[in-house]
Amino acid sequence: KAGVTQTPRYLIKTRGQQVTLSCSPISGHRSVSWYQQTPGQGLQFLFEYFSETQRNKGNFPGRFSGRQFSNSRSEMNVSTLELGDSALYLCASSFEKPQHGAFFGQGTRLTVV
Amino acid sequence: AQSVTQLGSHVSVSEGALVLLRCNYSSSVPPYLFWYVQYPNQGLQLLLKYTSAATLVKGINGFEAEFKKSETSFHLTKPSAHMSDAAEYFCAVTLNDYKLSFGAGTTVTVRA
Repeated sequence: KAGVTQTPRYLIKTRGQQVTLSCSPISGHRSVSWYQQTPGQGLQFLFEYFSETQRNKGNFPGRFSGRQFSNSRSEMNVSTLELGDSALYLCASSFEKPQHGAFFGQGTRLTVV
Repeated sequence: AQSVTQLGSHVSVSEGALVLLRCNYSSSVPPYLFWYVQYPNQGLQLLLKYTSAATLVKGINGFEAEFKKSETSFHLTKPSAHMSDAAEYFCAVTLNDYKLSFGAGTTVTVRA
């Protein structure tokens, strides 16, 4: 069974640009969550989707958005990038909800210059 | 709101020695608890999870954790450390709110 696939693995963007990250969950998993990991703030929850509906959202500005498609694949978008958005962005998939066990992808390393 | 506190940001053990990583949770209702491991430049790998079925939970790679409600703890142990156990370990908690809340992490180094 394939794991969670995140693309791309690495990105370098300039301040003010926007970026879209992609996540393909484990087959059969319908819950997809996104997390931001930085040395200073640790692992912080961004949002969670199930059946194309956002069920929870973390405390991030509106520049951070996401969506889920009917095949459970998910994307997150960050607009008007800031230097502080440099981080490892992790996607996790679960069968129906994270309490069932969340399985993480390798992450996308975003660097904003 | 739920949260977890990991005691000790760095732990150093000798190869073959006991590994003990501490995690205490704060929750008004019985939580779901998890331990994850992260190797450099990798995502998080699920080691084990507590979902109220049994207080002693066995995970992968020889790790286990015990849920103690009276102490609000979920400490992770491994009887004999291996060099490959060098990594960062995260404790996480969730209620029924579709998100995981993570501790700050504990970095484990293993001395030969």
